[in-house]
Amino acid sequence: SQTIHQWPATLVQPVGSPLSLECTVEGTSNPNLYWYRQAAGRGLQLLFYSVGIGQISSEVPQNLSASRPQDRQFILSSKKLLLSDSGFYLCAWSLGGSGNTIYFGEGSWLTVV
Amino acid sequence: GQQVMQIPQYQHVQEGEDFTTYCNSSTTLSNIQWYKQRPGGHPVFLIQLVKSGEVKKQKRLTFQFGEAKKNSSLHITATQTTDVGTYFCAGPQNYGQNFVFGPGTRLSVLP
Repeated sequence: SQTIHQWPATLVQPVGSPLSLECTVEGTSNPNLYWYRQAAGRGLQLLFYSVGIGQISSEVPQNLSASRPQDRQFILSSKKLLLSDSGFYLCAWSLGGSGNTIYFGEGSWLTVV
Repeated sequence: GQQVMQIPQYQHVQEGEDFTTYCNSSTTLSNIQWYKQRPGGHPVFLIQLVKSGEVKKQKRLTFQFGEAKKNSSLHITATQTTDVGTYFCAGPQNYGQNFVFGPGTRLSVLP
């Protein structure tokens, strides 16, 4: 069966510090991968998605970036965090095609102070 | 671009009352999916509807896909405290490369 892992689960970072959130998927090949952000009590904002190694689509311009160095690895990064970057970050995967569903990791709580 | 809306944004019910959330897309969907997110948790897939007018049931939950495949509803009969959470609908975009989520309906159930 397929599983998705993301880490760290929680982190508190000062403004201006870098960020790296990592996500890996097991049990499948060539998944579509996603990073979502969710502000407290709000909806899901798609940040990046990837349909293959090295292929990244950005949905919202901001100081975050994403990379996919391996087929089942997706990394969310920032060189300098802003207060507004605080939120709940969710990695997710799906198989290609419109008939498939999306599966979320357990999320990472980021607080920028 | 494609937009998905949900109403209501919040719903407070007494335990045992029924609850319904509605989802509307600006474009026709090939399918619609529903997810539940418990407080502090991550969204979990509930169900997918594909056919026009389709109705599916999961115990006390009834899901419906509109005839025009642009709207959907989730109805919970006799809510329980375990139903608390935010319910999201979502539709595929860009031939399934990504998904558009509605803003969610947050359900509170008072014991």
